[in-house]
Amino acid sequence: DTGVSQDPRHKITKRGQNVTFRCDPISEHNRLYWYRQTLGQGPEFLTYFQNEAQLEKSRLLSDRFSAERPKGSFSTLEIQRTEQGDSAMYLCASSLEGGNFYEQYFGPGTRLTVT
Amino acid sequence: QKEVEQDPGPLSVPEGAIVSLNCTYSNSAFQYFMWYRQYSRKGPELLMYTYSSGNKEDGRFTAQVDKSSKYISLFIRDSQPSDSATYLCAMKSSASKIIFGSGTRLSIRP
Repeated sequence: DTGVSQDPRHKITKRGQNVTFRCDPISEHNRLYWYRQTLGQGPEFLTYFQNEAQLEKSRLLSDRFSAERPKGSFSTLEIQRTEQGDSAMYLCASSLEGGNFYEQYFGPGTRLTVT
Repeated sequence: QKEVEQDPGPLSVPEGAIVSLNCTYSNSAFQYFMWYRQYSRKGPELLMYTYSSGNKEDGRFTAQVDKSSKYISLFIRDSQPSDSATYLCAMKSSASKIIFGSGTRLSIRP
C-alpha cells in the first residue's frame, strides 16, 4: 500500500500526558499537512510542511503542539500536557507541489481520546 | 459566521434516488471548489474539484459552482448504498489553505 499511513490509529491518554503521532506521506510528495477533526466537523488545518520547512501554522496550534519533518519524509505531531479538548481525530495529508491546485491525499487518521 | 456553511444532515434517501448536497460560502476569493467523501473511521478522499464557476460531471457525480450566489452543489444520480458516507465540501483561493465545511451525513436505504 503506497498511501499515507499514520501511527497509531488510536491513542487513549490521561490528561497532562504527552503524546506523539507519526505520519508517513506518499513517498514522492513534498508537501505534508496536519489537520484536526472533531465529531460532526470538517477537518481544520493545523500546519503544513514543504520538504523540511514548516511554512504555515494555524492559530489552533497552541504552544503545546509541535510538529516536525526532520528529513522531509515522515512527520511527527507532539501534544504536550494534553487536555480533554484535544480529543479529536488528527489527520495527515500529503501532496505534490505544483500549480495552484494539488490533490491532498489523506491518511486514516489517529483518534486521540484524553481522559 | 463560518466561511463555509454546510447542512449536517443526516440525509436519508432510497436507493436509486438523486441526491443533492449543498454548501454556501462567504469568501469571494475562493476559486477552487472540492467535494470529499469520508467513510466512517477513514480519512477524506477527493471526489471532484472545480475551478471557478460551472459544472463538472464524472460518472454519477455532478459538481456545480455558482460564484455569483456563493453556492456549490454536488448531485449524485442513481444513488447506491455504497454512497453512504459523509460528504465534505471544501474550497480555497490560490494562496490559501483548504477550508472544509462541516460535512453532510448521507445514508442510502436499500
